[in-house]
Formats: sequence, C-alpha cells, structure tokens
Amino acid sequence: SQQGEEDPQALSIQEGENATMNCSYKTSINNLQWYRQNSGRGLVHLILIRSNEREKHSGRLRVTLDTSKKSSSLLITASRAADTASYFCATRETSGSRLTFGEGTQLTVNP
Amino acid sequence: DGGITQSPKYLFRKEGQNVTLSCEQNLNHDAMYWYRQDPGQGLRLIYYSQIVNDFQKGDIAEGYSVSREKKESFPLTVTSAQKNPTAFYLCASSPGTGGFPSSYEQYFGPGTRLTVT
Repeated sequence: SQQGEEDPQALSIQEGENATMNCSYKTSINNLQWYRQNSGRGLVHLILIRSNEREKHSGRLRVTLDTSKKSSSLLITASRAADTASYFCATRETSGSRLTFGEGTQLTVNP
Repeated sequence: DGGITQSPKYLFRKEGQNVTLSCEQNLNHDAMYWYRQDPGQGLRLIYYSQIVNDFQKGDIAEGYSVSREKKESFPLTVTSAQKNPTAFYLCASSPGTGGFPSSYEQYFGPGTRLTVT
C-alpha cells in the first residue's frame, strides 16, 4: 500500500533558488519524516514532524504539516548543487508500527 | 550510512539460486528493516523485526526469508521463488525504546544491488 505520494516527481532549479516538494497521504498519522537519497546510496534522515506540530526547521530545511489536508511540504532554501538527490516522505500511521515511503521527488540543482 | 553495514555492495547470481544479503548494525537498535527499491521508485517493505527472534512480513514478503538471532544482525535470503529479484536492497534500523520503532528516524545502510540473470 502506498501511503505517501510526492509531487512533483522531478524538479530542476538553479543554484540559489528555493525548492519545494509536497507529500500527500491517506490515513491518520503519528509522524511524517523526510529522507534524502543520493544516487545509488542509502537514505539519510532529514527531519521528523509529529502530528501535533505544524512547522519545523532544520538549517536550510523547512517542513510544514497540514493534518486536515493530509499533506506536508519540504522547502529547501538557497539550494546548492550538492542538494541534488531524491527526496522521500515517509509516514507512520497512528495504528501501525512501520513507516510507509512515497515514490520520491528527484531534485536537480544546476550550478 | 553510519553504524549499518551491508555486504556485498554488488551481487550477481544465476536464476534459481538462493542468495543471502548481510545487514549488521552497531547502534544497539531494537528494530531492523529490509526494503526493496526498483529504478525510479520508492521503497517497499519486505520484512521487519522489532525484537530479537521475532519478525513480521511487510508488503512484499513472498520469495524472501529472514532471521533475527542476534540484535546486531538481520540477514535477508532471496529465494528462487522470488520471481523478479533484481533490485536494490536497503537495510535500516531504528531505536525501539519507549514506543513503536517507527516513531523514530531510521538509519540506512549503503545498500546491496542484486542482479540475477
């Protein structure tokens, strides 16, 4: 079952611009997490936002969560070429004990 | 990729052969997971284990088997019954104290790319 769905599937921007990725999900969640994956590598955890939180910041990352719309967004400000990667959202349902990952957004930051 | 190792990085097998992928963690995490990733797609859960000597099927367990005899180790066997085993396999772990392991972030290994011909 696919819980999280990212939008857009691919995003190409210039260095210095902001990048926004969106995630939608279907059921009630305990938390939502964002991960990054460089090509051919494992995933790296970026940020976790709980269902009772609306916004969270970590460095150049800003995550928002709207539980009424069942959606989240990840904003990367002042992007760099090194931010080029795939970004995945993952949700933990309130009734479950596992994470479900979305299909990911492929971000390309052009120098 | 800190704390979790997967070996080998690339693995080639002939169709009909079973193959075991290794996953070891030194993070003292209770929970461990195996995911499969196909090109351009997200992760699909194969098996997970929240404690030693216990594991549960994920979404695509058919054709796979696991064991969790030690806290540090969670090997995955891809059997000949798996119809399309060529994929990128990722192992992950997370702490489980005080609640569901999935309440916490997961730490991923570098992955094993399995090619079956």
